[in-house]
Amino acid sequence: EAQVTQNPRYLITVTGKKLTVTCSQNMNHEYMSWYRQDPGLGLRQIYYSMNVEATDKGDVPEGYKVSRKEKRNFPLILESPSPNQTSLYFCASSSHSGGAYEQYFGPGTRLTVT
Amino acid sequence: QQQVKQSPQSLIVQKGGISIINCAYENTAFDYFPWYQQFPGKGPALLIAIRPDVSEKKEGRFTISFNKSAKQFSLHIMDSQPGDSATYFCAASTANAGKSTFGDGTTLTVKP
Repeated sequence: EAQVTQNPRYLITVTGKKLTVTCSQNMNHEYMSWYRQDPGLGLRQIYYSMNVEATDKGDVPEGYKVSRKEKRNFPLILESPSPNQTSLYFCASSSHSGGAYEQYFGPGTRLTVT
Repeated sequence: QQQVKQSPQSLIVQKGGISIINCAYENTAFDYFPWYQQFPGKGPALLIAIRPDVSEKKEGRFTISFNKSAKQFSLHIMDSQPGDSATYFCAASTANAGKSTFGDGTTLTVKP
């Protein structure tokens, strides 16, 4: 089954404790992206990757890191989480290099930072 | 500066009625305008999308109307059904560029 998977689905952590949210897709997609969803603010892009070893900032990259060492994986790293990073996070992928095509979203990771 | 503005924030429609959600954009370089549908507890899923070389696209009960000169596009849901109750996001992006900008979302409730 073609899908984007994220782990963990739920995470409660404390301020300053480094964490990684994994994202993997099995569709051989070139493009991957991370978004955060907050009430009333829609989806805001954190980082995106046009291909392996090619990443760039979205609209809200502060406090986040990403890497793209393999085509299928695009982990999101929070090196020192803060309460304002409490949010619902989505990973997405697309078959073309760029966001101007259908994006397939994962099921989301709900993160709470206390 | 918000590049894609979506309205209304919430919408209540009777079953069988027409739901209309509007979006306006600022960046004339945008050339892909999708609408995503999101049910509670799920990730967004593409509903319908349009490129600026056409003014309208229809897929079943869902239609996108696109006005390039006004920099506006809208989603029309005909014969709205309770199963259409969800959050809808418009978005805009540029070919071969990585950034995608989403609207704030519209929560649609279709009453039986």
